[in-house]
Amino acid sequence: AAGVIQSPRHLIKEKRETATLKCYPIPRHDTVYWYQQGPGQDPQFLISFYEKMQSDKGSIPDRFSAQQFSDYHSELNMSSLELGDSALYFCASSTGLPKDEQYFGPGTRLTVT
Amino acid sequence: DAKTTQPPSMDCAEGRAANLPCNHSTISGNEYVYWYRQIHSQGPQYIIHGLKNNETNEMASLIITEDRKSSTLILPHATLRDTAVYYCIVRANTGGGNKLTFGTGTQLKV
Repeated sequence: AAGVIQSPRHLIKEKRETATLKCYPIPRHDTVYWYQQGPGQDPQFLISFYEKMQSDKGSIPDRFSAQQFSDYHSELNMSSLELGDSALYFCASSTGLPKDEQYFGPGTRLTVT
Repeated sequence: DAKTTQPPSMDCAEGRAANLPCNHSTISGNEYVYWYRQIHSQGPQYIIHGLKNNETNEMASLIITEDRKSSTLILPHATLRDTAVYYCIVRANTGGGNKLTFGTGTQLKV
């Protein structure tokens, strides 16, 4: 079965650079979520999109922005990168109600040096 | 979303049933109990969820107490591949996207 695809899988950037992470949801899933997991921490919700509109926002820095495109893929844009942005970034997709099971991608490991 | 409490770690012998408890005493009537697990650095994986009735699927069983203030995830025959952090998450299901709020979870070692 098709799964959530994230690219790139690994990314190394320097401080103050920008990064773009991409997420391709499972076909026919209309909702996309982004989560950040720092070293030794639990995943934290960043932002979500439903039918290409932002549906919820968590503790996402103002330096980050995201959008969902007409083909339902999503991109997380991160600017002015800081050392503390080094983390695993997971994308998840779901079909929404009634079950709303979220299926996670393999993650993008971002390292900021 | 209601807060949950889980033991930080548990051990289970291979082939035995793993019973992972979760307390959610402030759960509201419209909130579901979800279980996810995360095998080291992989994306979290959906296991099961329920509202008030017990649920079973190919991975696990979910037992919810009658007052809904606690639940138990049961892995009937644990294997080494079940070693992971297990998260119990309580959440309402409203339209347009429902985020998951991960707590500290239970590290299960098989």
